[in-house]
Amino acid sequence: GQQLNQSPQSMFIQEGEDVSMNCTSSSIFNTWLWYKQDPGEGPVLLIALYKAGELTSNGRLTAQFGITRKDSFLNISASIPSDVGIYFCAGRSYQTGANNLFFGTGTRLTVIP
Amino acid sequence: NAGVTQTPKFQVLKTGQSMTLQCAQDMNHEYMSWYRQDPGMGLRLIHYSVGAGITDQGEVPNGYNVSRSTTEDFPLRLLSAAPSQTSVYFCASNSGTATYGYTFGSGTRLTVV
Repeated sequence: GQQLNQSPQSMFIQEGEDVSMNCTSSSIFNTWLWYKQDPGEGPVLLIALYKAGELTSNGRLTAQFGITRKDSFLNISASIPSDVGIYFCAGRSYQTGANNLFFGTGTRLTVIP
Repeated sequence: NAGVTQTPKFQVLKTGQSMTLQCAQDMNHEYMSWYRQDPGMGLRLIHYSVGAGITDQGEVPNGYNVSRSTTEDFPLRLLSAAPSQTSVYFCASNSGTATYGYTFGSGTRLTVV
């Protein structure tokens, strides 16, 4: 399967701080997605990116599709306690089946009030 | 509420037992898939289906069977449970186009003893 390396594995931050995480792939992806997972729940889509270089925001979240198409970044500004959870990147490549998603290993975010 | 419904939410099996994890969606999505989530490994694709009557293998299909007799349902069968299949299982669906993320169920936590 595709190798997606996500970093950092975990983060402990103070409420109000900004957060950055990234994901790199060994191969090119046509779509990058960022998901958040709350305890006991399935992942929920945060942002979808479809073009190299694309920068997309969703409230306090901003994500970018890397120019090389092998990486993506997610930034969260002014973190709040409800940002706690696991964040996953996911990529989709037409070469491996257009609708099959490959996931990163996740970044576990803890926000300290 | 529209979405992906998984049952059961929790299950304990003895080694060698068989069982079926149920997944149903009411969004008329063509594409459905099963993932397993293990600590530190993200989500890995087990099987997927691009429509009724069509299924295919993902990254980690061994020990699992699927069928897709209707658009709505995509059950996952464990033929002879093994401790290595202890995991959290997620079902997901997608409209089949390349421009939408997946909708995930809330998961089934399976323990094989």
